[in-house]
Amino acid sequence: AQKVTQTQTSISVMEKTTVTMDCVYETQDSSYFLFWYKQTASGEIVFLIRQDSYKKENATVGHYSLNFQKPKSSIGLIITATQIEDSAVYFCAMREGIDRGSALGRLHFGAGTQLIVIP
Amino acid sequence: EAAVTQSPRNKVAVTGGKVTLSCNQTNNHNNMYWYRQDTGHGLRLIHYSYGAGSTEKGDIPDGYKASRPSQENFSLILELATPSQTSVYFCASGELQGFYAEQFFGPGTRLTVL
Repeated sequence: AQKVTQTQTSISVMEKTTVTMDCVYETQDSSYFLFWYKQTASGEIVFLIRQDSYKKENATVGHYSLNFQKPKSSIGLIITATQIEDSAVYFCAMREGIDRGSALGRLHFGAGTQLIVIP
Repeated sequence: EAAVTQSPRNKVAVTGGKVTLSCNQTNNHNNMYWYRQDTGHGLRLIHYSYGAGSTEKGDIPDGYKASRPSQENFSLILELATPSQTSVYFCASGELQGFYAEQFFGPGTRLTVL
């Protein structure tokens, strides 16, 4: 069964520092896709960054980057030089791979990690 | 700009009443999804659709129906609302462009069942 686990409920960091949020997943698929989403205080959910399971290079977008450790089924989100506006809830999600015959495109979400950036 | 909108944004319903949550997308995506968000559970999939006329059950479909009358519109229907269905509901659209496509989310509907 597909499962995504985020064990960190809440993290507080000082502004301009680097933070890592953890995520581990379970899947039987040979290929799969991992995503991080951000939910702002207003409730808006926005896509941040993704990692394809067959790629060894860690994805990077702006000040977001990923630490993909496939043998550990782990996909950490790293935010460098954090800003106040990074305060939000961050969700890790996994999408079933192309070898699955149904529900293509559906996402399995973790419970989320609340990030608090302190000025 | 492509967008996913939901209506209503807030809804108070009575137990046993019928509730319809609506979602509209201008992304021209084939796939649409309904999730609910509860504390400690993240987002859980209720129903989804591959295109007009199709609906499929997600992980927690009990007590919910879905309707996809057109490419743009996807509704979630609670025939007999219960207090356990009090939650925030999100609609999303997505496409399988080389299997890379992320999903785009609407702003959410906060439903309270009394």
